[in-house]
Amino acid sequence: DTAVSQTPKYLVTQMGNDKSIKCEQNLGHDTMYWYKQDSKKFLKIMFSYNNKELIINETVPNRFSPKSPDKAHLNLHINSLELGDSAVYFCASSPGQGDYEQYFGPGTRLTVT
Amino acid sequence: GQQVMQIPQYQHVQEGEDFTTYCNSSTTLSNIQWYKQRPGGHPVFLIQLVKSGEVKKQKRLTFQFGEAKKNSSLHITATQTTDVGTYFCAGPARLSSGSARQLTFGSGTQLTVLP
Repeated sequence: DTAVSQTPKYLVTQMGNDKSIKCEQNLGHDTMYWYKQDSKKFLKIMFSYNNKELIINETVPNRFSPKSPDKAHLNLHINSLELGDSAVYFCASSPGQGDYEQYFGPGTRLTVT
Repeated sequence: GQQVMQIPQYQHVQEGEDFTTYCNSSTTLSNIQWYKQRPGGHPVFLIQLVKSGEVKKQKRLTFQFGEAKKNSSLHITATQTTDVGTYFCAGPARLSSGSARQLTFGSGTQLTVLP
């Protein structure tokens, strides 16, 4: 069983479109995250949810809207996609906030043309 | 906000050579974690260090946490091609928003091992 899963794995789309990425974890964790990884491998936190509640919104444009229907799911919707949104997006989960190790999903490679 | 810095950004070694990556924080950390990301893969948790001066080993990998709990290192002895990937340190820190404490990742060290 995959602990943290994401769909889709690859996403190619044109500028201006709207797209969503889904994430699910079956670890029973309370906290979930979205990260953006650029071409230099830098991992930047975007959002953090704890028990479906938004904890961190790290200066992300409001074109990005996370949604957590329950604590096992955290989806990411992106409006009006821009070229600079091209990156790998990772979902992750942890038992709690701050000090716990994180478990990452396989990533979604988003390419905006 | 608090920062976790990591050097070097890239390292090429010949198979069999040793490799070290260093991590420094602007503030004292309650713990430091290390992750490995294989090419095309996702970050995978390796280890967590909690105590001042702590040293832990995993086969050919040695992890150290500094006495002041502001720096850490990962040393790989006699690298193999399976060690290829990006190694990240991460420590809990307050982000620029200044609110919740959050695991902050270093910039990573991309290791290439030449056969």
